[in-house]
Amino acid sequence: GAVVSQHPSWVICKSGTSVKIECRSLDFQATTMFWYRQFPKQSLMLMATSNEGSKATYEQGVEKDKFLINHASLTLSTLTVTSAHPEDSSFYICSASRALGGQPQHFGDGTRLSIL
Amino acid sequence: RKEVEQDPGPFNVPEGATVAFNCTYSNSASQSFFWYRQDCRKEPKLLMSVYSSGNEDGRFTAQLNRASQYISLLIRDSKLSDSATYLCVVTLSLNTGFQKLVFGTGTRLLVSP
Repeated sequence: GAVVSQHPSWVICKSGTSVKIECRSLDFQATTMFWYRQFPKQSLMLMATSNEGSKATYEQGVEKDKFLINHASLTLSTLTVTSAHPEDSSFYICSASRALGGQPQHFGDGTRLSIL
Repeated sequence: RKEVEQDPGPFNVPEGATVAFNCTYSNSASQSFFWYRQDCRKEPKLLMSVYSSGNEDGRFTAQLNRASQYISLLIRDSKLSDSATYLCVVTLSLNTGFQKLVFGTGTRLLVSP
């Protein structure tokens, strides 16, 4: 149980393109979803926390207009990287939790984003 | 100062060896503690929770010292399949009431035949 699917797993696109990443909880209803980013040889960093039907809460230093998060249902959250640039190239991972407190978290497979 | 600090390694050990990883965290308000394992270019996977009383899961033993803000992981009888990056993780409460995971940069383990 507790399977989280993330799509796509790998994206390569030109600078200026907007990229949408989907995170789905396949066998449970995710009250809370989290989006993380991991640059090479660095730790996973939380970008934002989202609740179904409400606005995401962004961590300090993460531009909400750059990284659009939509948590429209209890099984789906999307992260859109708008007008992506090479510095946005990273490994993006989502996680989902049944619990209101957000624990435990179940991670998706991650999306490797490369902007040329 | 990083919120969660780990020796990046790599730790190169032969099969069958015992290896220990350490981690320190800076925020005394940290509430829960975990070790995750991350394989190259993959998502992190929960290895085990860490408690002050210590806990053991097969070949893995984890220990928490709240006073020293120190967490450890011991792996006995290392297997080739244990080669991975081990992430020390703590939780912190957000203003929203959620708990967020704060990851260390990880310690890389390489087990050789």
